[in-house]
Amino acid sequence: DAGVIQSPRHEVTEMGQEVTLRCKPISGHNSLFWYRQTMMRGLELLIYFNNNVPIDDSGMPEDRFSAKMPNASFSTLKIQPSEPRDSAVYFCASSPVHQGATEAFFGQGTRLTVV
Amino acid sequence: GESVGLHLPTLSVQEGDNSIINCAYSNSASDYFIWYKQESGKGPQFIIDIRSNMDKRQGQRVTVLLNKTVKHLSLQIAATQPGDSAVYFCAGSTSGTYKYIFGTGTRLKVLA
Repeated sequence: DAGVIQSPRHEVTEMGQEVTLRCKPISGHNSLFWYRQTMMRGLELLIYFNNNVPIDDSGMPEDRFSAKMPNASFSTLKIQPSEPRDSAVYFCASSPVHQGATEAFFGQGTRLTVV
Repeated sequence: GESVGLHLPTLSVQEGDNSIINCAYSNSASDYFIWYKQESGKGPQFIIDIRSNMDKRQGQRVTVLLNKTVKHLSLQIAATQPGDSAVYFCAGSTSGTYKYIFGTGTRLKVLA
């Protein structure tokens, strides 16, 4: 298996622009996580999907952030409009089970820079 | 509140020596723990896990120790190699939940 695949690997955009990050989880995994990583705050959970349904989006910072999972093999995280403080590395992770007790597999991340 | 934290932000060890990275957690209900390794420019990579019904688990060159009494776990790396240089995170979870609480990370530097 190729693992969790994220695209793009790097994104540089101007403040105010829309940004869409993409994720393909590992086939057969029914749990998907979006995390944000910064030096100041470490790894933060943004949103969690189970069986394509958003279960917990309490970590989504603002209404500017939205995430979708239209099917079991694809998810997007959208920021609109983007701001410089959104600059971070965004990770997608998937897990084969619901409710913990097994590791989550991470993608390589998307490094977002908003100028 | 629930938290998982690390004692040392940076650990420097000589190549060939053993490394010990520590982690403390605050939620007594946490019953599953993972150690991740993150190399520069990459996502966290699973190293080893342990459940609360165990106090020790060994992998290839790595050992995780869990002390539930003091809510502490550690990752021991034997014969540390240059390829072990990375940031190491511990993460805790509770059965019946989906949330992993990550520590802040410890950077391991291996000196030649």
